[in-house]
Amino acid sequence: SAVISQKPSRDICQRGTSLTIQCQVDSQVTMMFWYRQQPGQSLTLIATANQGSEATYESGFVIDKFPISRPNLTFSTLTVSNLSPEDSSIYLCSVEGTGFLEEQYFGPGTRLTVT
Amino acid sequence: GQQLNQSPQSMFIQEGEDVSMNCTSSSIFNTWLWYKQDPGEGPVLLIALYKAGELTSNGRLTAQFGITRKDSFLNISASIPSDVGIYFCAGQPSGGSNYKLTFGKGTLLTVNP
Repeated sequence: SAVISQKPSRDICQRGTSLTIQCQVDSQVTMMFWYRQQPGQSLTLIATANQGSEATYESGFVIDKFPISRPNLTFSTLTVSNLSPEDSSIYLCSVEGTGFLEEQYFGPGTRLTVT
Repeated sequence: GQQLNQSPQSMFIQEGEDVSMNCTSSSIFNTWLWYKQDPGEGPVLLIALYKAGELTSNGRLTAQFGITRKDSFLNISASIPSDVGIYFCAGQPSGGSNYKLTFGKGTLLTVNP
């Protein structure tokens, strides 16, 4: 499976600011996914990011709040804009499997706290 | 959207005991996956299932894809302290696109040494 890293691993931000999270993969992948995991909750898909096309957002998530870049096949960024305390969550990127595309492999996550 | 009902929500067991958890859905899934998440980490894929009735093992872990394609279970045998964590089921619904996964709410496992 791919090795995935995320930066930063954690951050504390003030409300109204933005945080950009980076996701780096050690191999080329077509699909990258961004998830949110609110405290004590399960994972919710924010968007799917394919290289060379606009990200596809899930219901309840909009580009103005969660802009995503996917400049190449090994890298993506997620920005969480205009932060509020409700955005305090773990944000995770994942990639599809190399054998079975249905399998997803996750990065270590970015823990965001908004004060 | 699709929802997965995962149970139990939490379990407290003694080291050496066997554990079973399951996920059910009201609709058909093409793929079932089981993940484990340790504190401060991302989920790690444990087992993937692709066919109805499929039974797959990974060490002390065994998972099955329900014959109706609407459920799956995960068993852990002879639990050890490092089994502690949150276990998530995830599935790709039939008719879904872009390999999107739906996740259960998780089972928090505590193992007392």
